Parts: sequence; C-alpha cells; structure tokens
Amino acid sequence: SAVISQKPSRDICQRGTSLTIQCQVDSQVTMMFWYRQQPGQSLTLIATANQGSEATYESGFVIDKFPISRPNLTFSTLTVSNMSPEDSSIYLCSVEVRTRGTDTQYFGPGTRLTVL
Amino acid sequence: LAKTTQPISMDSYEGQEVNITCSHNNIATNDYITWYQQFPSQGPRFIIQGYKTKVTNEVASLFIPADRKSSTLSLPRVSLSDTAVYYCSSRNSGYALNFGKGTSLLVTP
Repeated sequence: SAVISQKPSRDICQRGTSLTIQCQVDSQVTMMFWYRQQPGQSLTLIATANQGSEATYESGFVIDKFPISRPNLTFSTLTVSNMSPEDSSIYLCSVEVRTRGTDTQYFGPGTRLTVL
Repeated sequence: LAKTTQPISMDSYEGQEVNITCSHNNIATNDYITWYQQFPSQGPRFIIQGYKTKVTNEVASLFIPADRKSSTLSLPRVSLSDTAVYYCSSRNSGYALNFGKGTSLLVTP
C-alpha cells in the first residue's frame, strides 16, 4: 500500500479566496488523482495529475478553477480558486500502487473545505 | 466508463454475514472491480479487488460471476465497527475509479 497525507485536513474559507491542498505520498507513484466528494455524495473525479505535464481534467472541471501541480512523483497540489459556497466539499487525492502484480488505488485522508 | 449500481442502504445485526451486490453491466474487458469502505470524515479505505471468480483476504470475500456484470462483497460476522459506507468501483490500470453511489451499512447489536 502507500501512506498518503493531505494538508490541510480541513479549512474554512471566505468566498472569493483560493486554497491550495497538498498531497504527499511516501513512495514514488506514477498515477495520482484528485477527487471531490460533496456532502452525502459519492466521489467524483476532478483530474488526473500527470508528472511533468498538464493535468487531465474531467468534464465539468477546468484548469482555471482547479489548477493542479505535480512537480515530482511523490507530491501534488490542487488549488480551489475563487471559491464559492458550492465548492464546500471533501477533496481527496489518490495514488495507484502496484502490489503483487495488480494496480490498486489508495486514498488520502481528505481535506474538508467549507466556504462561507 | 462502466456504470455501477448498488443498494442505497442495508441493515444487519452483529455477527451476521453481510452480502452487498453491485451491478456493472457494461464493464470493460480490462476493468478490475474494487470495493472501498468509508467512515465519516475519512478517505475511502481499500477492502478488496478482483477481476473474476472469487477473491478472499483477511477482511472480506469478493465473488464475481463469469459474465462479470455484477460482484458481491461478503463481510463475515460483522461488528458494530463495520457500520460505514461501502463503495463498488470499476477501473482499468492507469485510470481513475468509477464509483457507485455507495451502500450505507448499519450494524446494530
């Protein structure tokens, strides 16, 4: 498996501001993903964070709103820009790890964001 | 992406076996099926993953029929601490997970 940490664990932000969420993993991984989980809902993929190139965004998510960095194989950041109350969610990063010949995804603890 | 469908909720008593079935009718040939457990305010925790037939680990068993259009997560002898949301997902290596809406399991004494 992998040990994944996220910072901050939670934050309360004002409308119009931006927040950068960090994801750190204890081993080098090729695939990293960012998900959003709105209250009481399932997980929705925001983007795939590619090392050395731009992130690949899912429909409904754009780089200007959710810029992502992936400077190396153990770290990524997601920024939630110009926040509104609708951005209040849990943001989760995940990594793909190869274990006994099978690729498995593991999740970080999440960042709980509340926008006032 | 394969669409996954699972029951919204299930109830069980302590000590019973719980089986949660997920349907994924249009699963792709190379997709794996993965189940996660999530407690409030925590990230999803990996439970078990399989491609076909039966997979068992120290926590659960996963049954996948030959047509792979469904899968069943089996939790033996559940305890109160197994109360959580259980997500079925399908994916191919190198791609993101396609999550279902989750099954909220309530275990009572």
